[in-house]
Amino acid sequence: GQNIDQPTEMTATEGAIVQINCTYQTSGFNGLFWYQQHAGEAPTFLSYNVLDGLEEKGRFSSFLSRSKGYSYLLLKELQMKDSASYLCAVRDRFSGGYNKLIFGAGTRLAVHP
Amino acid sequence: GAVVSQHPSWVICKSGTSVKIECRSLDFQATTMFWYRQFPKQSLMLMATSNEGSKATYEQGVEKDKFLINHASLTLSTLTVTSAHPEDSSFYICSARVGRGGQETQYFGPGTRLLVL
Repeated sequence: GQNIDQPTEMTATEGAIVQINCTYQTSGFNGLFWYQQHAGEAPTFLSYNVLDGLEEKGRFSSFLSRSKGYSYLLLKELQMKDSASYLCAVRDRFSGGYNKLIFGAGTRLAVHP
Repeated sequence: GAVVSQHPSWVICKSGTSVKIECRSLDFQATTMFWYRQFPKQSLMLMATSNEGSKATYEQGVEKDKFLINHASLTLSTLTVTSAHPEDSSFYICSARVGRGGQETQYFGPGTRLLVL
């Protein structure tokens, strides 16, 4: 089956660095995505990893280890506006032919002054 | 990035009525769109995959006769919640598939909040 785990909640201080972990189990791994979702809004795309290693995009970086079924999203120089839910999603090639995304429950990050 | 719109952004209706939600890709063609539902403080649950020119593919447990999907053009998919009940109240979000193969990703619409009284 498919399973994606990430912490439910995290808190951090403005200006700090926070790492949000995600572990997954899937039969046909074909990429991992991170999305940001503010309360009451739709998710916005942050990053995509399909090969092992670190992908850096400004203040956000995402890491993937396929052998460990593990990814993390790293947020640097935290700002208050970064308070949101962060969704880890895995694409599974054995999911009916349309490369569906399987979402984790999301991690709610609260950034404090 | 690609822009996806949804209309309406929110709707309140009486129990037993039907509600139609539109999802449009504004600056690109989308042969495949996805419909999700999200309850408060929960993650997105895929309801169905909408394919232009063919029938939608529904996830297990989702009633196809209750949630009618029509993908009539390359830029428009609609979800109709028929005979809505209070338990159908939720945040409905569509997404459009962009790119091919390893570069494929999904861009989401702004969502439609449905409240059934």
